[in-house]
Amino acid sequence: QLHLQESGPGLVKPSQTLSLTCTVSGVSINGGDYYWTWIRQPPGKGLEWIGYIYYNGSTYYNPSLKSRVTISGDTSKNQFSLNLSSVTAADTAVYYCARGWGSGYYRSWGQGTLVAVSS
Amino acid sequence: DIQMTQSPSTLSASVGDRVTITCRASQSISSYLAWYQQKPGKAPKLLIYKASSLETGIPSRFSGSGSGTEFTLTIRSLQPDDFATYYCQQYNSYSFGQGTKVEIK
Repeated sequence: QLHLQESGPGLVKPSQTLSLTCTVSGVSINGGDYYWTWIRQPPGKGLEWIGYIYYNGSTYYNPSLKSRVTISGDTSKNQFSLNLSSVTAADTAVYYCARGWGSGYYRSWGQGTLVAVSS
Repeated sequence: DIQMTQSPSTLSASVGDRVTITCRASQSISSYLAWYQQKPGKAPKLLIYKASSLETGIPSRFSGSGSGTEFTLTIRSLQPDDFATYYCQQYNSYSFGQGTKVEIK
């Protein structure tokens, strides 16, 4: 059974890089036609799609975040990661990892992890 | 970028009511639309994909319709468990609507 679990620091200083990892169990991240995705939600606000790494290693990012985002995969650990550089308070959010099906709707989600940007 | 506009932002309804939420895309997305339900402190839950396909395990009182730029999510007879926030998501170029909170009247 598929399980996704986010991990990483809960507090990041402004101007630094936010780094999160999603550990996947139950399926290989390079084992099928899936989109391994990061989505975030600022406290009390709506969902924002960040980007994905496809099973073949290709990536696609939200144009509004593209200059600051890198998503990478580690097939040996069955993990994929998010790096978001030059963070500000506006990047404070719950960050979710998810698996995308059929071009990109999401059946499976992690529980989410709150990351605060503050000095 | 494709913008998704949901309406209303908040909806007050009673148990048993028929509820309709609308999502409009700024350009055509064919049927690349999903609907999610989210409760406080939880990850979103997929309800509908491909505009009108009901996800496995989701009650049949939920239905989706539309194509192109206009889509609707209908809850046929609102149940106590349905009070939540609902989001549409287009997966042509990936973005979410701003959400519709369904609250108790």
